[in-house]
Amino acid sequence: AQSVTQPDIHITVSEGASLELRCNYSYGATPYLFWYVQSPGQGLQLLLKYFSGDTLVQGIKGFEAEFKRSQSSFNLRKPSVHWSDAAEYFCAVARWGATNKLIFGTGTLLAVQP
Amino acid sequence: NAGVTQTPKFRVLKTGQSMTLLCAQDMNHEYMYWYRQDPGMGLRLIHYSVGEGTTAKGEVPDGYNVSRLKKQNFLLGLESAAPSQTSVYFCASRNRGQLNTEAFFGQGTRLTVV
Repeated sequence: AQSVTQPDIHITVSEGASLELRCNYSYGATPYLFWYVQSPGQGLQLLLKYFSGDTLVQGIKGFEAEFKRSQSSFNLRKPSVHWSDAAEYFCAVARWGATNKLIFGTGTLLAVQP
Repeated sequence: NAGVTQTPKFRVLKTGQSMTLLCAQDMNHEYMYWYRQDPGMGLRLIHYSVGEGTTAKGEVPDGYNVSRLKKQNFLLGLESAAPSQTSVYFCASRNRGQLNTEAFFGQGTRLTVV
């Protein structure tokens, strides 16, 4: 069964510092991978997605993620965090064309210190 | 573009009451999904549908029923609400014809069962 693990429940970084949020997935083939962000009380916003090709993908708000097949990982990065990046971040994996399910990780809550 | 619209946005129910959450999409998508979001657990798939007249169980289907009588609508029903069903519910839809696409989410329904 497909699954997604986000090992960090909470992360606190200083404004201007770099950020990396971890995501590991379990799936027999190359999945479709997504990162979503949710601000308090809001819905989900897609940050970026990976389907195939270049393993480094660029998203909105200066975020990027790298797909590493050997590590079954899809970590999210940002070189310099802004206070407005404080939110909850969700990694998700899809098996479009197979089960057609989109499965989410448990999320990482990011706090940004001034 | 309205995209995915959920009705209602907020609701308070008493234990044992029933209600139906409506998800409507105007993108002619074949696939639709219902999730619930609880603190520390991410989004968990309740039920989903791959087309009009079809439904399937997700990870946490107990206590919920769904119907997809029209392609654009996906209804989530609670026959006898329980406090454990207090949650934020999200609906999503996706185009079957494109594998390299994401799911589109509604803004959520916050349900409290007292």
